[in-house]
This record gives sequence, structure tokens and C-alpha cells, in this order.
Amino acid sequence: QKEVEQNSGPLSVPEGAIASLNCTYSDRGSQSFFWYRQYSGKSPELIMFIYSNGDKEDGRFTAQLNKASQYVSLLIRDSQPSDSATYLCAVNRGGSYIPTFGRGTSLIVHP
Amino acid sequence: SAVISQKPSRDICQRGTSLTIQCQVDSQVTMMFWYRQQPGQSLTLIATANQGSEATYESGFVIDKFPISRPNLTFSTLTVSNMSPEDSSIYLCSVGAAGAFAGANVLTFGAGSRLTVL
Repeated sequence: QKEVEQNSGPLSVPEGAIASLNCTYSDRGSQSFFWYRQYSGKSPELIMFIYSNGDKEDGRFTAQLNKASQYVSLLIRDSQPSDSATYLCAVNRGGSYIPTFGRGTSLIVHP
Repeated sequence: SAVISQKPSRDICQRGTSLTIQCQVDSQVTMMFWYRQQPGQSLTLIATANQGSEATYESGFVIDKFPISRPNLTFSTLTVSNMSPEDSSIYLCSVGAAGAFAGANVLTFGAGSRLTVL
């Protein structure tokens, strides 16, 4: 089992809809969880991080963490075509300060 | 967050040659990392570049193939040695910043170096 798993997609949503991106992880001792966005041909950039169970909101983005079920998700409300990118989930394994990345989910927001 | 300059941005190399990638940061950073991103794949950590000591390599990566230098807290190089087509990839320099508590590490990435080996 891979340490961090994501559906590679593509996930296609219409403009204005909610995009839901999911990620599962294998190490139950993981402490920190991150979402990075990577536009085609560009390097990843941090969107959000979350440490505690529950929801964390930042503008149109909401990260959700459920440690018991070992999944973390990212919701993007009012999706825009400019949100079209690959979204990488990253998880700090317990005892490590270096994140392990999932393969990423490609999101396409069509007008 | 730190600003990272990475070069070259891209290169086409011949099999058997070596190429050195440079990473310059605009501020002193403790944690500096080198990642590889192969087409359609996620980011794979090659090594942690340690200032003043040998780099710490991840499983599957060795110093002879990927020698790393870290002469100070703002600069590092990664060399891809004796290249083969399988080394065609994007190589990314990144630096870490502590998050809200110990154990968290938010990464900032350079623009990447896209290598094509013929």
C-alpha cells in the first residue's frame, strides 16, 4: 500500500461548483497534512495545511481531516477555471519532518 | 517565504554525461531538499542537503549518482551523474520552514530543472 494515495483523475467540474479532492494515508502516526497546487509546467505551491481533526477554512478552500479514518480532503467552493491544476496531498509521517507526497489529482474546471 | 532561484531551467543532455543543477535561496535556511518528479508521477525526495556535512539520501538514491553540495545556508547543487534516459525528469530544489508546531515542515519550491537525456 502506498503511503499517500490520491485518485489521479482528472476530476472535471463546472465553473461555480464545489470540487472535492480526497487523500488517504497509511501511517496512523502522521501528524501534519498539506495540500499543494501545481499548475502545468510550474512547481508546487502550498494551499493549506491542517493538523487537527475537523475542518479548516481559508477563503474558498476547506481542508478536512479525519485521523480515525486516515483521510484528508480539500474542498474548493465556487470553482473557477483558474483552479484547474494538479492538487498534491502531502503527509508528514510520524517522527519525520519531511512530507511524503501523493501522486496528485488533476482538476479541470470548465466554463 | 523564501525565494528560490534554480538553474538551469531546462537542458537536453547526452547519455553518459553529468549535469549540475544550482539552487540559490534569498535567505539563510536550515532545511534544503532535492526532489525528483518524473512524468505523471509525484514528488520523490532524493536527499536532504546538509550544510557542512554529507547529504542524507533516501532509499534508492546514492551519492555516486546524485552528489550534492551545500557549502552554506543559501546555496546547494545537485549533480546527476552518468545520465541515462531514465534520468529524464524534473528536479526541484525546496526549502523548509517550520509550521505551527515542531514536526511540521512547509515547503517552498524552486521553479525546477527539466532534464531530457537522449
